[in-house]
Amino acid sequence: AQSVTQPDIHITVSEGASLELRCNYSYGATPYLFWYVQSPGQGLQLLLKYFSGDTLVQGIKGFEAEFKRSQSSFNLRKPSVHWSDAAEYFCAVGSMDSSYKLIFGSGTRLLVRP
Amino acid sequence: DVKVTQSSRYLVKRTGEKVFLECVQDMDHENMFWYRQDPGLGLRLIYFSYDVKMKEKGDIPEGYSVSREKKERFSLILESASTNQTSMYLCASTYGLAEEQFFGPGTRLTVL
Repeated sequence: AQSVTQPDIHITVSEGASLELRCNYSYGATPYLFWYVQSPGQGLQLLLKYFSGDTLVQGIKGFEAEFKRSQSSFNLRKPSVHWSDAAEYFCAVGSMDSSYKLIFGSGTRLLVRP
Repeated sequence: DVKVTQSSRYLVKRTGEKVFLECVQDMDHENMFWYRQDPGLGLRLIYFSYDVKMKEKGDIPEGYSVSREKKERFSLILESASTNQTSMYLCASTYGLAEEQFFGPGTRLTVL
């Protein structure tokens, strides 16, 4: 069955520290992948996406993610976290075989210590 | 600036009431989606529509129906609301296959 796992429910980092949020997927077909961010009381905003090509993708707000097919992972990174990055982050996976449907992970809530 | 709007940010209804959640997008997108979001479960797809008057069930359609009479508008209907339908409901739209989904701000529905 297709699935997306975000193993960390909560992560706390200090402002200025680096960040890595994990995402693992199980998908039969070639996937395309997204990271979304949700600030409190808001809808989801796209941070970045991977369809093909360069496996390191750059997104907005200084985020990047690396697609590793051998590890079925698409981890999100940021070299220096800002207090405004505190939010919930969702990884999502789709494929050309699944029509328009995306499968979302359960989310990781990021807390930032001053 | 692209925009998906939802008719209410907060809604409180009673058990057994018929509830309508409205979503409008101004991007001329073909595809629209309704999700519910619950803590620890992420987003789960209720229904989606790939054209006017066309719809398909998502992963959790039970207790819900949808309507899409115009391209820009996609409605989610709870025929008889129950307390287990208390949740955050998110609408999204996208132009085509494998494209980014644009989300509305969500409607937090409480059923008493």
